[in-house]
Amino acid sequence: EDQVTQSPEALRLQEGESSSLNCSYTVSGLRGLFWYRQDPGKGPEFLFTLYSAGEEKEKERLKATLTKKESFLHITAPKPEDSATYLCAVQARNTDKLIFGTGTRLQVFP
Amino acid sequence: EPEVTQTPSHQVTQMGQEVILRCVPISNHLYFYWYRQILGQKVEFLVSFYNNEISEKSEIFDDQFSVERPDGSNFTLKIRSTKLEDSAMYFCASSMDAYGYTFGSGTRLTVV
Repeated sequence: EDQVTQSPEALRLQEGESSSLNCSYTVSGLRGLFWYRQDPGKGPEFLFTLYSAGEEKEKERLKATLTKKESFLHITAPKPEDSATYLCAVQARNTDKLIFGTGTRLQVFP
Repeated sequence: EPEVTQTPSHQVTQMGQEVILRCVPISNHLYFYWYRQILGQKVEFLVSFYNNEISEKSEIFDDQFSVERPDGSNFTLKIRSTKLEDSAMYFCASSMDAYGYTFGSGTRLTVV
């Protein structure tokens, strides 16, 4: 069964304190792994798509990496506006639906 | 930047009533989806729609649910007889090529 597990569930960081979020997955042939940001009461906002092991993508303070079993979202020198829930999702080759993890709730304090 | 628009943002309905949730996908997108998120739980896939027909649906998407693209711009989700457990955020999404989506801001459905 295709599955996504994210850790930690919640993370509190001081402004400027870098850290990483983990997404472990099992999927029957990976088509893509996606990172989304979700603010309270809002829809998921697309961040990155990764397609193959070894791939990395960056956007401002965020960097996503992918191996055959997991993905990391690295946050460098976070700011309070980075506070949100970060969702990981996988898409298998024979489907276009996304399977989401439960997310990591990030709080960044000034 | 193009966006997916959902209306209403919040709908309250009585158990057993029919509701229609509306979405305007991004204009040149070809794939359309509905997901839902029960409070505190994962975002869950409901249905995908391509070329004017359902391409895939989950176990959640039973006979109480239906989708329609009545014209060139709207995409709707109908729940025929709402139950308390249908209370959730419902997200519409669209995609050009089925690789990654753009989600709307959601409709919060409360069944009382």
